[in-house]
Amino acid sequence: AQSVTQPDIHITVSEGASLELRCNYSYGATPYLFWYVQSPGQGLQLLLKYFSGDTLVQGIKGFEAEFKRSQSSFNLRKPSVHWSDAAEYFCAVGSRMFSGGYNKLIFGAGTRLAVHP
Amino acid sequence: DADVTQTPRNRITKTGKRIMLECSQTKGHDRMYWYRQDPGLGLRLIYYSFDVKDINKGEISDGYSVSRQAQAKFSLSLESAIPNQTALYFCATSEATVGQPQHFGDGTRLSIL
Repeated sequence: AQSVTQPDIHITVSEGASLELRCNYSYGATPYLFWYVQSPGQGLQLLLKYFSGDTLVQGIKGFEAEFKRSQSSFNLRKPSVHWSDAAEYFCAVGSRMFSGGYNKLIFGAGTRLAVHP
Repeated sequence: DADVTQTPRNRITKTGKRIMLECSQTKGHDRMYWYRQDPGLGLRLIYYSFDVKDINKGEISDGYSVSRQAQAKFSLSLESAIPNQTALYFCATSEATVGQPQHFGDGTRLSIL
């Protein structure tokens, strides 16, 4: 069965520092992979997605993520964090096959990012 | 205007009451979804709909029902609310193609006393 693990529940970084949020997935084939961000009082906004091709994908707000098949990982990175990046981040895995007739997404439990000035 | 609009944004109600959460979209997507979010659990799928005539249960549908009134409207009902249904509820939409991302509304925070 598909599953997604975000090992870090909370992360705190200083403004200007680099960031890496971890995501590991369990899936029998190459999945579709997404990172979403949720700011307080807001819905989930898509940061980036991996379908195929280049394993390093660029997203909005200066984020990037790298798909590593051998490690079943899709870690999110940003070279220099801004105070406005404080939010909750969700990794999600999608099947390349319709499961039960729809494109199922499995979400991780989320990582809450705090940014110190 | 938001592409996916949820109403109300906040609701406090009592155990046993019937509640309806509404979702409308202007993205023209066929597929719509209802999720609930609980701290530490991420998002869990309640119901999903391919089109007006096709509605399916997700992983946690007990205690919930839905109605797809039109391509653009998908409502979630709690027939007799209970306190453990207190959560943040999200509506989402997507294109009918494998691998397309889902687009979310801003959520409804529901508290059941």
